[in-house]
Amino acid sequence: AQTVTQSQPEMSVQEAETVTLSCTYDTSENNYYLFWYKQPPSRQMILVIRQEAYKQQNATENRFSVNFQKAAKSFSLKISDSQLGDTAMYFCAFAFNDMRFGAGTRLTVKP
Amino acid sequence: DADVTQTPRNRITKTGKRIMLECSQTKGHDRMYWYRQDPGLGLRLIYYSFDVKDINKGEISDGYSVSRQAQAKFSLSLESAIPNQTALYFCATSGATGGRGSNQPQHFGDGTRLSIL
Repeated sequence: AQTVTQSQPEMSVQEAETVTLSCTYDTSENNYYLFWYKQPPSRQMILVIRQEAYKQQNATENRFSVNFQKAAKSFSLKISDSQLGDTAMYFCAFAFNDMRFGAGTRLTVKP
Repeated sequence: DADVTQTPRNRITKTGKRIMLECSQTKGHDRMYWYRQDPGLGLRLIYYSFDVKDINKGEISDGYSVSRQAQAKFSLSLESAIPNQTALYFCATSGATGGRGSNQPQHFGDGTRLSIL
């Protein structure tokens, strides 16, 4: 079974700085998909970014980018120019037939 | 209006009661999912459905059942609720581009916070 590990339960960053959230996963599959979701205090689950495993190019969405290392089974999220509104739980997810989530990283952006 | 609607938003009930959580969607997606979220554990998949006649168990299906009444409706039942089923429950939907691979992002409802006393 696929597993997803987020080793940083909590992180903090100063406003306008850059922070990287870590995610590793375990699978024997070759073609799969990876996602980062954000959950603010409102408890909504919001898609941040998506990566297809067959694409070598790292995905980017505005201030959010990933570092996808397929051989190492690593999928980290970099948030640039952090904003107060980025304060949230962040979940890494692995998708093949279904979707498996990591335990989450609570990110606090400090003014 | 929300694309994925969960009812109720919050529910408090007693041990042994039967509970149904409902989910409806207007996105036209074939795939629907039920998750529970517990602190420190992230989201865990309970059941998922690829269409009305295709329902599958997830990681933690024991103590739960589901019904896919239509493409747009997927309900989750707790036949006899117990306190360790206290959690935040999410319904999600996704489209598909062929095969069983989940390459499309999932769209979530706002969750149902369930407390079992």
